[in-house]
Amino acid sequence: AQKVTQAQTEISVVEKEDVTLDCVYETRDTTYYLFWYKQPPSGELVFLIRRNSFDEQNEISGRYSWNFQKSTSSFNFTITASQVVDSAVYFCALSEVQETSGSRLTFGEGTQLTVNP
Amino acid sequence: KAGVTQTPRYLIKTRGQQVTLSCSPISGHRSVSWYQQTPGQGLQFLFEYFSETQRNKGNFPGRFSGRQFSNSRSEMNVSTLELGDSALYLCASSLEPARYGYTFGSGTRLTVV
Repeated sequence: AQKVTQAQTEISVVEKEDVTLDCVYETRDTTYYLFWYKQPPSGELVFLIRRNSFDEQNEISGRYSWNFQKSTSSFNFTITASQVVDSAVYFCALSEVQETSGSRLTFGEGTQLTVNP
Repeated sequence: KAGVTQTPRYLIKTRGQQVTLSCSPISGHRSVSWYQQTPGQGLQFLFEYFSETQRNKGNFPGRFSGRQFSNSRSEMNVSTLELGDSALYLCASSLEPARYGYTFGSGTRLTVV
């Protein structure tokens, strides 16, 4: 069975601080995808990044960066110079790859990030 | 292009009633998935439809059902509503399941009283 753990329930930082959200996953599959989503108060899940299990290259997109380490089954997310607009719940998710029998996302519990001015 | 559209946004139903929620995916997306989000259980997978066929189902009772039409629009139905069915129901569409990021709608918030 697949499992995603986000140990940090809530994080509170002051604007311009850097913050890292942790994600640890479990799967028996050798091929899988990892995702990060952001959920603002409006409720919609906003896609941030997708990474497949064969690509361990770290990625940077503006103020966002992701560190994927297969050896520790972790896919951590860092926001540099946080802003008040970054306040939201962030979810890490895992998806197996089954072309014929469909797919599903297994989500972590989410981390509530609050950025204070 | 238009995103994933879910209707209605809010719904209040009485215990024992049934409800139907609607989801219109992004044009060209043939995969539609449904998720339930509650404070206690978090985000849980309900089912996935692809080209009108249910391909994957989560661990929910038979009161939860769904279908997909030829235009890829999907509906989910919950019969004999219970208080515990109060949740945010999110629909996601994808061009190719798992290989691309799923696009989610804003959800339907269902309250059962």
